[in-house]
Amino acid sequence: QVQLQESGPGLVKPSQTLSLSCTVSGGSFSSGTFYWSWLRQPAGKGLQWIGRVYTSGSTNYNPSLKSRVTISVDTSKNQFSLRLSSVTAADTAVYYCARDYGPGTMIDHWGQGTLVTVSS
Amino acid sequence: DIQMTQSPSSLSASVGDRVTITCRASQSISSYLNWYQQKPGKAPKLLIYAASSLQSGVPSRFSGSGSGTVFTLTISSLQPEDFATYYCEQTYTTPAFGPGTEVDIK
Repeated sequence: QVQLQESGPGLVKPSQTLSLSCTVSGGSFSSGTFYWSWLRQPAGKGLQWIGRVYTSGSTNYNPSLKSRVTISVDTSKNQFSLRLSSVTAADTAVYYCARDYGPGTMIDHWGQGTLVTVSS
Repeated sequence: DIQMTQSPSSLSASVGDRVTITCRASQSISSYLNWYQQKPGKAPKLLIYAASSLQSGVPSRFSGSGSGTVFTLTISSLQPEDFATYYCEQTYTTPAFGPGTEVDIK
């Protein structure tokens, strides 16, 4: 059974870069079947898809965040990572990593989520 | 951008009730529509994919239908564990979620 676990700082200062990692266990990471996504959810609000990475390193990003987002993968560690630059209070949210079947499909496994607060 | 709306935004229902939630897309998305359930403090859970396919392990009281711009999620007989917020998601273009429908106890 695949499991995903987010890690990273819970507090980031405005204008700095938010960095999170997701460690995947359960054997499916490098199978070539899946993509690996990041999403977020501000408190009391809806879900926003940030972007995805394939194990080859190819990426897709939400156009609304594309100028500030980098998602990368480290297959040797079964990890993928999110970097979001120039953060503001509007980037405060619970960030989820997730397993994604790819464009036009669905997300079937999620991490538990990690709260990142942007504040000085 | 494709905009997703859901109705109602919230509803109160009793155990055993039949519940229907509607999701509308601002343009046709064929059947590229998924439904998720989210409970407070938890990650979303996939219920339905490709508009009408039941995810493995999800109870058969959940069903989805629709194509094009109008979709529905139906819970045939509401159970205590079904009180949650439900989101639709379109994956025809950049994935985007509806604003959610909160189902609470009447």
